[in-house]
Amino acid sequence: DVKVTQSSRYLVKRTGEKVFLECVQDMDHENMFWYRQDPGLGLRLIYFSYDVKMKEKGDIPEGYSVSREKKERFSLILESASTNQTSMYLCASRGDPPTGELFFGEGSRLTVL
Amino acid sequence: DAKTTQPNSMESNEEEPVHLPCNHSTISGTDYIHWYRQLPSQGPEYVIHGLTSNVNNRMASLAIAEDRKSSTLILHRATLRDAAVYYCILRVDSSGSARQLTFGSGTQLTVLP
Repeated sequence: DVKVTQSSRYLVKRTGEKVFLECVQDMDHENMFWYRQDPGLGLRLIYFSYDVKMKEKGDIPEGYSVSREKKERFSLILESASTNQTSMYLCASRGDPPTGELFFGEGSRLTVL
Repeated sequence: DAKTTQPNSMESNEEEPVHLPCNHSTISGTDYIHWYRQLPSQGPEYVIHGLTSNVNNRMASLAIAEDRKSSTLILHRATLRDAAVYYCILRVDSSGSARQLTFGSGTQLTVLP
Protein backbone atom coordinates (compact mmCIF):
# COMPACT_ATOMS: atom_id res chain seq x y z
CA ASP A 1 0.00 0.00 0.00
CA VAL A 2 1.05 3.55 -0.67
CA LYS A 3 2.20 5.31 2.41
CA VAL A 4 2.47 9.04 2.91
CA THR A 5 4.07 9.88 6.22
CA GLN A 6 4.06 13.26 7.86
CA SER A 7 6.75 13.80 10.45
CA SER A 8 4.66 15.24 13.26
CA ARG A 9 0.99 14.81 14.14
CA TYR A 10 0.98 17.71 16.58
CA LEU A 11 3.25 20.72 16.92
CA VAL A 12 3.14 23.81 19.10
CA LYS A 13 5.31 26.75 18.06
CA ARG A 14 5.68 30.37 19.02
CA THR A 15 5.10 33.36 16.78
CA GLY A 16 8.19 34.11 14.73
CA GLU A 17 9.65 30.62 14.92
CA LYS A 18 10.71 28.77 11.79
CA VAL A 19 8.69 25.63 11.25
CA PHE A 20 9.46 22.62 9.07
CA LEU A 21 6.78 20.12 8.15
CA GLU A 22 8.16 17.02 6.51
CA CYS A 23 6.36 14.61 4.21
CA VAL A 24 7.69 11.36 2.76
CA GLN A 25 6.02 9.02 0.26
CA ASP A 26 7.20 5.55 -0.63
CA MET A 27 5.67 5.01 -4.07
CA ASP A 28 8.02 6.97 -6.29
CA HIS A 29 5.30 9.48 -7.18
CA GLU A 30 6.35 12.57 -9.09
CA ASN A 31 3.61 14.88 -7.87
CA MET A 32 3.28 15.99 -4.27
CA PHE A 33 1.01 18.55 -2.63
CA TRP A 34 0.64 20.55 0.56
CA TYR A 35 -2.83 21.61 1.74
CA ARG A 36 -4.10 23.32 4.83
CA GLN A 37 -7.51 22.57 6.26
CA ASP A 38 -9.55 24.96 8.35
CA PRO A 39 -13.13 24.65 9.61
CA GLY A 40 -15.61 25.92 7.05
CA LEU A 41 -12.93 26.45 4.39
CA GLY A 42 -12.24 22.90 3.28
CA LEU A 43 -8.82 22.00 1.94
CA ARG A 44 -6.82 24.77 0.33
CA LEU A 45 -3.77 24.11 -1.79
CA ILE A 46 -0.59 25.84 -0.63
CA TYR A 47 2.05 24.49 -2.98
CA PHE A 48 2.61 21.52 -5.22
CA SER A 49 5.63 19.93 -6.84
CA TYR A 50 5.72 17.90 -10.02
CA ASP A 51 9.37 16.90 -9.90
CA VAL A 52 12.50 17.22 -7.83
CA LYS A 53 13.38 20.89 -7.34
CA MET A 54 10.23 21.91 -9.22
CA LYS A 55 7.40 23.66 -7.44
CA GLU A 56 4.36 25.75 -8.17
CA LYS A 57 2.24 27.99 -6.01
CA GLY A 58 -1.23 26.88 -5.13
CA ASP A 59 -4.10 29.06 -3.99
CA ILE A 60 -2.61 30.34 -0.72
CA PRO A 61 1.20 30.34 -0.88
CA GLU A 62 1.78 33.52 1.11
CA GLY A 63 3.84 32.92 4.22
CA TYR A 64 5.00 29.51 3.08
CA SER A 65 7.82 28.00 1.07
CA VAL A 66 8.60 24.44 0.05
CA SER A 67 11.57 22.24 -0.69
CA ARG A 68 11.81 19.13 -2.86
CA GLU A 69 15.42 17.95 -2.89
CA LYS A 70 14.57 14.28 -3.24
CA LYS A 71 11.67 12.68 -5.03
CA GLU A 72 10.22 11.05 -1.95
CA ARG A 73 10.35 14.09 0.33
CA PHE A 74 8.39 17.33 0.16
CA SER A 75 8.85 19.85 2.94
CA LEU A 76 6.68 22.79 3.89
CA ILE A 77 8.45 25.70 5.56
CA LEU A 78 6.99 28.52 7.59
CA GLU A 79 9.82 31.06 7.74
CA SER A 80 8.24 33.05 10.55
CA ALA A 81 5.18 31.40 12.00
CA SER A 82 2.14 33.53 12.77
CA THR A 83 -1.01 32.77 14.70
CA ASN A 84 -3.12 32.74 11.52
CA GLN A 85 -1.08 29.76 10.36
CA THR A 86 -2.56 27.63 13.12
CA SER A 87 -4.17 24.88 11.11
CA MET A 88 -4.19 21.24 10.03
CA TYR A 89 -1.61 20.65 7.29
CA LEU A 90 -2.07 17.75 4.89
CA CYS A 91 0.49 16.34 2.50
CA ALA A 92 -0.48 14.24 -0.51
CA SER A 93 1.16 12.47 -3.39
CA ARG A 94 -0.49 11.72 -6.70
CA GLY A 95 -0.67 8.26 -8.14
CA ASP A 96 0.00 7.29 -11.71
CA PRO A 97 -2.48 7.63 -14.57
CA PRO A 98 -5.18 6.71 -15.37
CA THR A 99 -6.56 7.09 -11.86
CA GLY A 100 -4.15 9.73 -10.63
CA GLU A 101 -5.69 9.57 -7.20
CA LEU A 102 -4.28 11.51 -4.30
CA PHE A 103 -2.86 9.67 -1.30
CA PHE A 104 -2.89 11.75 1.86
CA GLY A 105 -0.91 11.62 5.06
CA GLU A 106 -2.62 11.72 8.43
CA GLY A 107 -2.03 15.43 8.83
CA SER A 108 0.01 17.69 11.07
CA ARG A 109 -1.90 19.91 13.46
CA LEU A 110 0.11 23.07 14.04
CA THR A 111 -0.68 25.53 16.80
CA VAL A 112 1.14 28.86 16.78
CA LEU A 113 1.00 30.74 20.06
CA ASP B 1 -11.35 26.23 -12.79
CA ALA B 2 -14.69 24.53 -12.69
CA LYS B 3 -16.26 24.45 -9.23
CA THR B 4 -18.52 22.00 -7.47
CA THR B 5 -21.49 22.56 -5.17
CA GLN B 6 -22.46 20.09 -2.47
CA PRO B 7 -24.89 20.22 0.44
CA ASN B 8 -23.18 21.02 3.71
CA SER B 9 -24.61 18.04 5.53
CA MET B 10 -26.76 14.93 5.10
CA GLU B 11 -28.08 12.22 7.37
CA SER B 12 -28.73 8.59 6.69
CA ASN B 13 -29.89 5.58 8.64
CA GLU B 14 -27.54 2.66 9.03
CA GLU B 15 -27.84 -0.05 6.37
CA GLU B 16 -29.82 2.20 4.05
CA PRO B 17 -28.58 3.60 0.74
CA VAL B 18 -27.17 7.10 0.65
CA HIS B 19 -27.14 9.38 -2.36
CA LEU B 20 -24.69 12.26 -2.10
CA PRO B 21 -25.25 14.89 -4.82
CA CYS B 22 -22.75 17.19 -6.48
CA ASN B 23 -23.41 19.95 -8.99
CA HIS B 24 -20.72 20.97 -11.45
CA SER B 25 -22.53 23.01 -14.06
CA THR B 26 -19.31 24.54 -15.50
CA ILE B 27 -17.58 21.22 -16.05
CA SER B 28 -15.52 20.97 -19.21
CA GLY B 29 -15.28 18.00 -21.53
CA THR B 30 -11.92 16.91 -20.16
CA ASP B 31 -12.74 17.18 -16.44
CA TYR B 32 -12.90 13.97 -14.50
CA ILE B 33 -15.21 13.80 -11.49
CA HIS B 34 -13.43 12.55 -8.39
CA TRP B 35 -14.81 11.75 -4.95
CA TYR B 36 -12.83 11.59 -1.75
CA ARG B 37 -13.90 11.15 1.84
CA GLN B 38 -12.31 12.20 5.09
CA LEU B 39 -12.89 10.20 8.22
CA PRO B 40 -12.43 11.95 11.57
CA SER B 41 -8.80 12.67 12.43
CA GLN B 42 -7.53 11.31 9.13
CA GLY B 43 -6.46 12.65 5.77
CA PRO B 44 -8.87 12.32 2.84
CA GLU B 45 -8.98 9.04 0.95
CA TYR B 46 -9.91 8.33 -2.64
CA VAL B 47 -13.35 6.83 -3.22
CA ILE B 48 -14.10 6.76 -6.94
CA HIS B 49 -13.82 8.72 -10.14
CA GLY B 50 -15.47 8.84 -13.57
CA LEU B 51 -15.69 10.78 -16.80
CA THR B 52 -18.99 10.00 -18.54
CA SER B 53 -20.20 6.53 -17.68
CA ASN B 54 -21.45 5.33 -14.34
CA VAL B 55 -18.76 3.59 -12.29
CA ASN B 56 -18.78 0.98 -9.56
CA ASN B 57 -16.10 -0.16 -7.17
CA ARG B 58 -15.94 -1.93 -3.84
CA MET B 59 -16.59 1.27 -1.91
CA ALA B 60 -19.32 3.01 -3.86
CA SER B 61 -21.01 3.77 -7.16
CA LEU B 62 -20.84 6.98 -9.14
CA ALA B 63 -23.79 8.04 -11.25
CA ILE B 64 -23.04 10.81 -13.75
CA ALA B 65 -25.80 12.80 -15.41
CA GLU B 66 -26.00 12.64 -19.17
CA ASP B 67 -25.07 16.32 -19.51
CA ARG B 68 -22.32 15.82 -16.87
CA LYS B 69 -23.48 18.87 -14.96
CA SER B 70 -24.14 16.81 -11.87
CA SER B 71 -23.19 13.50 -10.30
CA THR B 72 -24.22 11.36 -7.35
CA LEU B 73 -22.09 9.21 -5.11
CA ILE B 74 -24.05 6.19 -3.96
CA LEU B 75 -23.24 4.21 -0.84
CA HIS B 76 -25.40 1.15 -1.16
CA ARG B 77 -25.62 0.30 2.54
CA ALA B 78 -24.36 2.96 4.88
CA THR B 79 -22.49 1.86 7.97
CA LEU B 80 -21.40 3.87 10.97
CA ARG B 81 -17.87 3.81 9.55
CA ASP B 82 -19.10 5.71 6.50
CA ALA B 83 -19.67 8.83 8.61
CA ALA B 84 -17.25 11.30 7.06
CA VAL B 85 -16.93 14.44 4.97
CA TYR B 86 -17.35 13.61 1.28
CA TYR B 87 -15.68 15.80 -1.32
CA CYS B 88 -16.60 16.01 -4.98
CA ILE B 89 -13.85 17.57 -7.07
CA LEU B 90 -13.03 18.06 -10.72
CA ARG B 91 -9.70 17.60 -12.35
CA VAL B 92 -8.18 17.38 -15.76
CA ASP B 93 -6.57 14.00 -16.05
CA SER B 94 -3.55 14.69 -18.16
CA SER B 95 -1.13 11.83 -18.16
CA GLY B 96 2.14 12.64 -16.44
CA SER B 97 1.39 16.26 -15.60
CA ALA B 98 0.67 17.80 -12.24
CA ARG B 99 -2.79 19.25 -11.88
CA GLN B 100 -4.22 21.17 -9.04
CA LEU B 101 -7.23 19.67 -7.36
CA THR B 102 -9.51 22.12 -5.64
CA PHE B 103 -11.45 20.83 -2.65
CA GLY B 104 -14.56 22.62 -1.44
CA SER B 105 -16.12 22.20 1.99
CA GLY B 106 -17.72 18.87 1.13
CA THR B 107 -20.77 17.15 2.63
CA GLN B 108 -20.70 15.98 6.23
CA LEU B 109 -22.49 12.62 6.27
CA THR B 110 -23.96 11.50 9.57
CA VAL B 111 -25.05 7.87 9.82
CA LEU B 112 -27.67 7.17 12.46
CA PRO B 113 -27.76 3.76 14.15
